[in-house]
Order: sequence, then C-alpha cells, then structure tokens
Amino acid sequence: SQKIEQNSEALNIQEGKTATLTCNYTNYSPAYLQWYRQDPGRGPVFLLLIRENEKEKRKERLKVTFDTTLKQSLFHITASQPADSATYLCALDVTGGGNKLTFGTGTQLKVEL
Amino acid sequence: SAVISQKPSRDICQRGTSLTIQCQVDSQVTMMFWYRQQPGQSLTLIATANQGSEATYESGFVIDKFPISRPNLTFSTLTVSNMSPEDSSIYLCSVELEGRGLDTQYFGPGTRLTVL
Repeated sequence: SQKIEQNSEALNIQEGKTATLTCNYTNYSPAYLQWYRQDPGRGPVFLLLIRENEKEKRKERLKVTFDTTLKQSLFHITASQPADSATYLCALDVTGGGNKLTFGTGTQLKVEL
Repeated sequence: SAVISQKPSRDICQRGTSLTIQCQVDSQVTMMFWYRQQPGQSLTLIATANQGSEATYESGFVIDKFPISRPNLTFSTLTVSNMSPEDSSIYLCSVELEGRGLDTQYFGPGTRLTVL
C-alpha cells in the first residue's frame, strides 16, 4: 500500500541550529510534494511545494529537497527559532489525478533556547 | 490566501446524536475538502465537496454517516451522524484556490469534537 512516513519521534534542537525533517514515501511517483506547518489547535498552513523536476526549493530560512530516486524529501529550517516549534507535515497526491492530498504522520519540532 | 472559518470551534456531544459543522470562506472557491484528524494522527481526507455536484467520499467514509452540503461557492457543511466515541476528532475543512498553484490547500481552524 502507499505510505508516507515521517519521523514520529519529536525533534528537539537548540536555537540557531538547522532542523532537518524527513519525508519518505513508497509505491508512488508524485509530480510534486508539499510541506505544511501545524500549530496546536490550528489547521495546517502551506509552506512550500517542490516539483519532481526540482532538486531544491528555498523560501527565506526554509529549504526543501526532493529525491525521486530515493523517494524522499528533506525539509530544512536554518537558524531555527523557538517560534519555529510546531508539527510539520509533508503531503502529496498519491492518486495522480490531482486535488487529493495524502498527508504524512507529521514530525513535531521543538526549538529550545 | 483565503480566510476560512468553522463553527463550532469545539463541542462535546452525546453518543447517538448528530453535529453539523459549518465552513465559511471569504472568497468563491470550486473545491472544498473535509478532513478528520484523530488524536495524535495526521489528516485523513473524508470527502471532496464541489459546488453543483454530489460530494465524493474516500474509502471508509459514507454519505449516511457524513452527509455534506455545498449550497454555494463560499459555504459547506459536514454532519457527523449517530456519533460514537470513535468519532471524537478534529474536523477540518480546506479549500483549493484556483490559479494559486498545484493543489495548495488552505485550511480552516478545525472543529474539535468530543463524543461521550
């Protein structure tokens, strides 16, 4: 079956360091992959989209890579801040038909002073 | 982006009753989605609700249990029927804004439902 896996263990890092989160998927070749941020008690917020023909995408302190051979995306937050503490979700359309996102399990990030 | 509101923000309900959740968007959108997020879990798509057509349900979700209305381009409701404690979850609506990129979705704040 198709799976999207993220590290279920919470990630604790010190302020100023780079946080790296992983998203692995199986049995599918998505045209793109998305990353969302979710704070407690709120809906997910879109952060970045990376297409299959893009190796890397950046937005301010955020960087996403997409390796379609490894079936993996890495999400980096550089110079992390306590305000970056949240759960980060990857999502992709596993049907190929568009419009239906399947979300990963999410990784909780905590940035400590 | 879109501003999406949901009502109620939370509710505690008795087993066997039904709850209707409202989703309001500040702009006209074609595609709206309803998700469930169970405690400690990720989001699971319940159904896609397009204006002018019947909602399309994902595997494991049926219309009798989760009837959806989509009367216009800015509003939708999801009803959780004949509730049981297993329905305790956060229910989220989302929209896809046309012309804003591939399948990028904007989410409401969610409705936290507890069934006793």
